[in-house]
Amino acid sequence: SQTIHQWPATLVQPVGSPLSLECTVEGTSNPNLYWYRQAAGRGLQLLFYSVGIGQISSEVPQNLSASRPQDRQFILSSKKLLLSDSGFYLCAWSLSAGFGYEQYFGPGTRLTVT
Amino acid sequence: GQQVMQIPQYQHVQEGEDFTTYCNSSTTLSNIQWYKQRPGGHPVFLIQLVKSGEVKKQKRLTFQFGEAKKNSSLHITATQTTDVGTYFCAGLDLKTSYDKVIFGPGTSLSVIP
Repeated sequence: SQTIHQWPATLVQPVGSPLSLECTVEGTSNPNLYWYRQAAGRGLQLLFYSVGIGQISSEVPQNLSASRPQDRQFILSSKKLLLSDSGFYLCAWSLSAGFGYEQYFGPGTRLTVT
Repeated sequence: GQQVMQIPQYQHVQEGEDFTTYCNSSTTLSNIQWYKQRPGGHPVFLIQLVKSGEVKKQKRLTFQFGEAKKNSSLHITATQTTDVGTYFCAGLDLKTSYDKVIFGPGTSLSVIP
């Protein structure tokens, strides 16, 4: 069966510090991968998605970046965090082929920028 | 671009009452998905509807996809405290995107015991 891992679960970082969040998927090959951010009590904002190694699509301009160095690994990074980067970061995967297959979310990382 | 809206934003019900949330898209959808997020948790996939006018049931939950494939609804009969959470719809419009769905803002359900 497929499993999605995210770490860390919680993170408190000062403004201006770098960020690296990692997501890995087990039990499937060539998944579509997604990074979402959710502000407290709000909806899901799609940040990045990837349909293959090295292929990243950015949805909103921001100081975040994403990389997919391996088939089942998705990394969210920032060189300098802003207060507005605080939120709940969720990684998700879906089957590829692009026909809107359901998404499976990881447990998320709660980031607080102080 | 494509927009997906949901109403209401919040709903408080007494346990045992029914609950309905509505999802509307600005464009015709190829399919619609529903997710549930418990407080403090992550979204969990519930169901996907593909056909015009489709109705699917999961125990006390009934999902409908509109005839024009631009709206959908989720109805919960006789709510229980385990139904508490935020319900998101997510639509795929193949004319604008082949790889991602657009999530609605969600409806947060509170159930008063």
